[in-house]
Amino acid sequence: DSGVTQTPKHLITATGQRVTLRCSPRSGDLSVYWYQQSLDQGLQFLIQYYNGEERAKGNILERFSAQQFPDLHSELNLSSLELGDSALYFCASSSRQGTYEQYFGPGTRLTVT
Amino acid sequence: AQSVTQPDIHITVSEGASLELRCNYSYGATPYLFWYVQSPGQGLQLLLKYFSGDTLVQGIKGFEAEFKRSQSSFNLRKPSVHWSDAAEYFCAVGAGRGNAGNMLTFGGGTRLMVKP
Repeated sequence: DSGVTQTPKHLITATGQRVTLRCSPRSGDLSVYWYQQSLDQGLQFLIQYYNGEERAKGNILERFSAQQFPDLHSELNLSSLELGDSALYFCASSSRQGTYEQYFGPGTRLTVT
Repeated sequence: AQSVTQPDIHITVSEGASLELRCNYSYGATPYLFWYVQSPGQGLQLLLKYFSGDTLVQGIKGFEAEFKRSQSSFNLRKPSVHWSDAAEYFCAVGAGRGNAGNMLTFGGGTRLMVKP
């Protein structure tokens, strides 16, 4: 158990809908990262937050957004969902800016039908 | 831009045999390198990491990896594989510096199967 929690574990929704994925980092960790794992794209970095501020952006679609709250939990919002958004979404956390040692949550499996 | 290549998509070894999973990276500066393991339906667990210093690093579950700058490689090894090692293994490089973020770039993964 990495100490990173993600909810829900599974999510099934229809095209065009909007969903919110939630992540609680390890106690004391200030950085939160979101990654997407799909069969065709592999594991891709989406976005990083550090202590409430966006720090880095990767291959994140404009339909997706994220935020980190004062209690350091983070939410990833996916809107206007398409079939191709079906994937496993991971959250990871690390303790401080400048470290690459990330601890991953169990993931949320999103299925868009 | 950084990239990671894992040339072997699938590898099958017999239980008790030795294992080597290959990883090649491309990154302009000194890399921070990682190996993660993902069991079916699970998240990614950090096996080991290389930041600097000794090029042979030890990890959990009896794994080790060797950083070879001249070959841009960071291969994962285990002397004797157990059935419970069957999983998918990902090599990753840490990119970005300072305030530019700390994202990981992953290879495509190697699925390890263990024969009894």
